[in-house]
Amino acid sequence: KAGVTQTPRYLIKTRGQQVTLSCSPISGHRSVSWYQQTPGQGLQFLFEYFSETQRNKGNFPGRFSGRQFSNSRSEMNVSTLELGDSALYLCASSFNSMNTEAFFGQGTRLTVV
Amino acid sequence: GESVGLHLPTLSVQEGDNSIINCAYSNSASDYFIWYKQESGKGPQFIIDIRSNMDKRQGQRVTVLLNKTVKHLSLQIAATQPGDSAVYFCAEILNQGGKLIFGQGTELSVKP
Repeated sequence: KAGVTQTPRYLIKTRGQQVTLSCSPISGHRSVSWYQQTPGQGLQFLFEYFSETQRNKGNFPGRFSGRQFSNSRSEMNVSTLELGDSALYLCASSFNSMNTEAFFGQGTRLTVV
Repeated sequence: GESVGLHLPTLSVQEGDNSIINCAYSNSASDYFIWYKQESGKGPQFIIDIRSNMDKRQGQRVTVLLNKTVKHLSLQIAATQPGDSAVYFCAEILNQGGKLIFGQGTELSVKP
């Protein structure tokens, strides 16, 4: 069974640009969550989707957005990139709505220069 | 954000010894608690979870203890191996589900 796949693995963008990250969950999983990981702030919740609906949102500015498609694949978008957006962005998928056994992808390493 | 970023605590143990990693959680309404292991260059990997109505759960070489009175969670790893070297995170799920709130993490280093 394939794991959670995130693309791309690495990305370098310039301040002011926008970026779209993709996540393919484990087959059959309907919940997809996104997290930002930085050395200074640790792992922080961005948002969570279940059956194409955003159920939870973290404390991030509106520049961070996401969506989920009918096949459960998810994308997150960051507009007007800032240097502080440099981070590892992790996607996790879960079969159940409680997200109690979430499987993480390897992440997308975003560097903003 | 809800997870406070601080200098990662570290734990160094000798191969074969038992390890105990501690975590303080923030919300008494949390319904589930989970331990994750993150190796360098990889995403967090699920280790074990425990519901709030339990105080102990055992897995293979791992035991999680939950003390709701003091909002404390611990992960015990028996006979620690070099492959256990990683950063360990505790996470809590509030009763509405879908959102993991992570602790700061502890870096475990196993000396051969």
